[in-house]
Amino acid sequence: DTEVTQTPKHLVMGMTNKKSLKCEQHMGHRAMYWYKQKAKKPPELMFVYSYEKLSINESVPSRFSPECPNSSLLNLHLHALQPEDSALYLCASSQDLTGRYGYTFGSGTRLTVV
Amino acid sequence: GIQVEQSPPDLILQEGANSTLRCNFSDSVNNLQWFHQNPWGQLINLFYIPSGTKQNGRLSATTVATERYSLLYISSSQTTDSGVYFCAVRSGGSNYKLTFGKGTLLTVNP
Repeated sequence: DTEVTQTPKHLVMGMTNKKSLKCEQHMGHRAMYWYKQKAKKPPELMFVYSYEKLSINESVPSRFSPECPNSSLLNLHLHALQPEDSALYLCASSQDLTGRYGYTFGSGTRLTVV
Repeated sequence: GIQVEQSPPDLILQEGANSTLRCNFSDSVNNLQWFHQNPWGQLINLFYIPSGTKQNGRLSATTVATERYSLLYISSSQTTDSGVYFCAVRSGGSNYKLTFGKGTLLTVNP
């Protein structure tokens, strides 16, 4: 299995809703990432986990809450989002934090906040 | 932080043509990646190339670390090559963050 699987592919949520994005990989990668991508912009790093511990938080608002329950799973819990949070959310993994063996990205969750 | 500039921002080709995409960076790097994002949003890692030259089929990349630039060559382009090509770099030290350039939007027409 050489994939990163993200669910759901599309999500529409209201500003008072709570939802979660899920990311799964079975490549034995020990680093996992959440990125946010707005239209016609490059991906922006949100969080990095290494060996299931949070390594980097790029000053992301607390309405985004990451969780890494085990080495294969990465969740992003969403609460009280704003319309400007609408974007493509990408999960990625790499063998380790150096990235020298490359990165594998999921196909993303397209989130719309109404 | 490190700055990454990609050129050209947009490129339109006829199928079969060759192209060169450029990535300039402002500081020494220990990680440089090229990615392709297809029109449906899927990001594919093309090369890990902090220095030297690599080839994979019709694609090849060269990084001249001392002069702080990298080139991605696409030969005999196909319509499936369309999409955005990103260069991403990481400078030294314990900061493991990849910084992305703004990308080159490539359109290959049949």
